Amino acid sequence: DTAVSQTPKYLVTQMGNDKSIKCEQNLGHDTMYWYKQDSKKFLKIMFSYNNKELIINETVPNRFSPKSPDKAHLNLHINSLELGDSAVYFCASSPEESGGSGETQYFGPGTRLLVL
Amino acid sequence: GDSVTQMEGPVTLSEEAFLTINCTYTATGYPSLFWYVQYPGEGLQLLLKATKADDKGSNKGFEATYRKETTSFHLEKGSVQVSDSAVYFCASRLYSGAGSYQLTFGKGTKLSVIP
Repeated sequence: DTAVSQTPKYLVTQMGNDKSIKCEQNLGHDTMYWYKQDSKKFLKIMFSYNNKELIINETVPNRFSPKSPDKAHLNLHINSLELGDSAVYFCASSPEESGGSGETQYFGPGTRLLVL
Repeated sequence: GDSVTQMEGPVTLSEEAFLTINCTYTATGYPSLFWYVQYPGEGLQLLLKATKADDKGSNKGFEATYRKETTSFHLEKGSVQVSDSAVYFCASRLYSGAGSYQLTFGKGTKLSVIP
């Protein structure tokens, strides 16, 4: 059974379009995340979200918006796509934690976005 | 701000060679430390972790020890295999508020193991 799944796996689209990437986790976790991995494999946090608060990386353009219909889903919506948005986007989840013991984040397989 | 620095790749080794990938971190608190591995075309998988100073994480023959005095978490394996070829990411994890924890990743080190 897939713990964290993303759809689509590949997404090719034109500049200026609006697109969404879906993420679902069946682990019962409270916190979900979106990361962007560029062509040099550098991973950067975009958002973290749980039932209390959305924490946004201040460098993320406001064209990117996460939407969470329920605790098991955190979708990523991107408006007015630009060439520089081409990357691999990873969703992840982790349990909410009290006490700070270093819980693992579980990653989805990634969505490869290419903007033409 | 928090950051993680790991050795630049790519690293190419022969099968059965000894592997070290260096990783150092800067953080205002006491982060948990992780190594993740990304095989070609796949997502990230947790390889090992350590949550406090002097802890040693180990998995699949890989080891890393949390060294607070040197702020390091170097990854080692005594004898690499072709199947270990992947990109390895060091990461630190600190509480970022409202029940969320932020992972800060290093830039990744690509390892290629040749027969």
